[in-house]
Amino acid sequence: KNQVEQSPQSLIILEGKNCTLQCNYTVSPFSNLRWYKQDTGRGPVSLTIMTFSENTKSNGRYTATLDADTKQSSLHITASQLSDSASYICVVSASDDYKLSFGAGTTVTVRA
Amino acid sequence: KAGVTQTPRYLIKTRGQQVTLSCSPISGHRSVSWYQQTPGQGLQFLFEYFSETQRNKGNFPGRFSGRQFSNSRSEMNVSTLELGDSALYLCASSWDVVNYGYTFGSGTRLTVV
Repeated sequence: KNQVEQSPQSLIILEGKNCTLQCNYTVSPFSNLRWYKQDTGRGPVSLTIMTFSENTKSNGRYTATLDADTKQSSLHITASQLSDSASYICVVSASDDYKLSFGAGTTVTVRA
Repeated sequence: KAGVTQTPRYLIKTRGQQVTLSCSPISGHRSVSWYQQTPGQGLQFLFEYFSETQRNKGNFPGRFSGRQFSNSRSEMNVSTLELGDSALYLCASSWDVVNYGYTFGSGTRLTVV
């Protein structure tokens, strides 16, 4: 069964600090992995998308990594800002199924 | 280019009523999917339509239904509303789900009282 697990469930960090979110998946055959940012009450917005051959992708202060061998991905937030407070969702796509697998998300709270 | 548009943005309904939510996908996108998100919960998949055909369905009761029109616009209907149906309903569209994933709309916040 295709599954995506994210950790931690939530975290609190001080403004200016860095943090790393984890995503482990069992989706097979793997097509791509996407990180979304969802502000409260809004729709998710794509941050990065990575295919099997990519192991790092950046979008400003967000850097995603992918280890397709261990089926793990991480999202690193550098020099956090108050606007980074949101839920971050890991979504994995299988190459033989149109149904995506969603993680439950990590809620990040940045405090001044 | 315009994003995924959902209407209305907010909605308040009474238990037992029915409701229809609308989604206009990005131009050229033929796949439209719907998700329910309740407070503190992850995205729960409702169904996906591609070229007017339901291609995938989640584990929701038959009170939840949808359809897609020839211009790819989609509607979702919930009949006999229950208090537990209060949620953020998200629509997403894609032109290639497997390789590019979805672009989400801002959602419709449904409150059942």
